Amino acid sequence: GENVEQHPSTLSVQEGDSAVIKCTYSDSASNYFPWYKQELGKRPQLIIDIRSNVGEKKDQRIAVTLNKTAKHFSLHITETQPEDSAVYFCAASDPNDYKLSFGAGTTVTVRA
Amino acid sequence: DSGVTQTPKHLITATGQRVTLRCSPRSGDLSVYWYQQSLDQGLQFLIQYYNGEERAKGNILERFSAQQFPDLHSELNLSSLELGDSALYFCASSFRDGPYEQYFGPGTRLTVT
Repeated sequence: GENVEQHPSTLSVQEGDSAVIKCTYSDSASNYFPWYKQELGKRPQLIIDIRSNVGEKKDQRIAVTLNKTAKHFSLHITETQPEDSAVYFCAASDPNDYKLSFGAGTTVTVRA
Repeated sequence: DSGVTQTPKHLITATGQRVTLRCSPRSGDLSVYWYQQSLDQGLQFLIQYYNGEERAKGNILERFSAQQFPDLHSELNLSSLELGDSALYFCASSFRDGPYEQYFGPGTRLTVT
């Protein structure tokens, strides 16, 4: 099955700086990669996703890049704000049954 | 609000007991996924149903079972509960069976004492 690794596990940034989270996946046939943001005690919330036919996608301050050859994808958050503090999970969709395999999560703390 | 609902929000029960968690997908969504989130295992896929049929299984214990009803709501049954089953249980729904966006419900926090 799909194996997703996520780095770093924790990330502390100054407000206004950028944050980058990286993930790698194992199955080259995977074709859908969502990112979720989870605040403490809340549900994972889909914030952005990318499909394998696209190399980059942007939505306001967040962007995701995908390198199919290297089997890795990254989340970029620019101009970070305190409300960006949360746990972020990357995921890859299994090409056979579409279930999501999640990375272990990155706890992002934005310092004011 | 994702449009996915789950009940109950919290559940406290004793070891050896059986519980049922309920999930209603977003209007129009046919697929329901169940995930378990624990501190040491992260978010783990349990099982998926699509339009009433089991579609995929993850590392779901034999003590756990699920079903999806004709109105598309789903139930996850956990039996012979153990302390290690304490976790957050999420369901997610998506429109179709495929690599589509999955929207998560608020979760059920299960505590086994």
